[in-house]
Amino acid sequence: DAKTTQPNSMESNEEEPVHLPCNHSTISGTDYIHWYRQLPSQGPEYVIHGLTSNVNNRMASLAIAEDRKSSTLILHRATLRDAAVYYCILRGPHNAGNMLTFGGGTRLMVKP
Amino acid sequence: EPEVTQTPSHQVTQMGQEVILRCVPISNHLYFYWYRQILGQKVEFLVSFYNNEISEKSEIFDDQFSVERPDGSNFTLKIRSTKLEDSAMYFCASSEGESSSQPQHFGDGTRLSIL
Repeated sequence: DAKTTQPNSMESNEEEPVHLPCNHSTISGTDYIHWYRQLPSQGPEYVIHGLTSNVNNRMASLAIAEDRKSSTLILHRATLRDAAVYYCILRGPHNAGNMLTFGGGTRLMVKP
Repeated sequence: EPEVTQTPSHQVTQMGQEVILRCVPISNHLYFYWYRQILGQKVEFLVSFYNNEISEKSEIFDDQFSVERPDGSNFTLKIRSTKLEDSAMYFCASSEGESSSQPQHFGDGTRLSIL
């Protein structure tokens, strides 16, 4: 599976935008970029996914670089509830058993 | 919004005992998964299940583990003879389809403590 690289941690102020980067230089043409997050004491939660074009949903936006070797998850206005570990995961058609492979993610801290 | 539910939220068991963790996936989902997370470590894939069969399993999922869909709603993970190192959070997940664009939806987990 193609590997992703994320910063270990980031800090943000409440009500400010947050840009969480992910590098995936070995991504293949059929790999989708998925983002999940894990709030304290909870299971992972699906956030957003995309293939080539930028995507928006009610939780976040996903900006994908033109060469697809990196992407950025954008939280438009961070709240205290957004403090979580954010995981960038690649999923391709050959992922055995559809498994998700979680790395260490980025721990986002939100300051009031 | 439909969600994956897991019971119990916390299970304490003596080493060597059998334990069954229960999950109710989202009702129209066809693919089911178990993951675990040892305290302070990454979330690890255990097994995926479709059409009453295991699709894939990891090295962690040895002969002590089994999964079952005993009826139309429940999906269970059984650990036959628990070890201290089985202490972890166990997360159940489900997805509507198998394509790489399909998200997986997770429950809030069962904390398993082996004494």
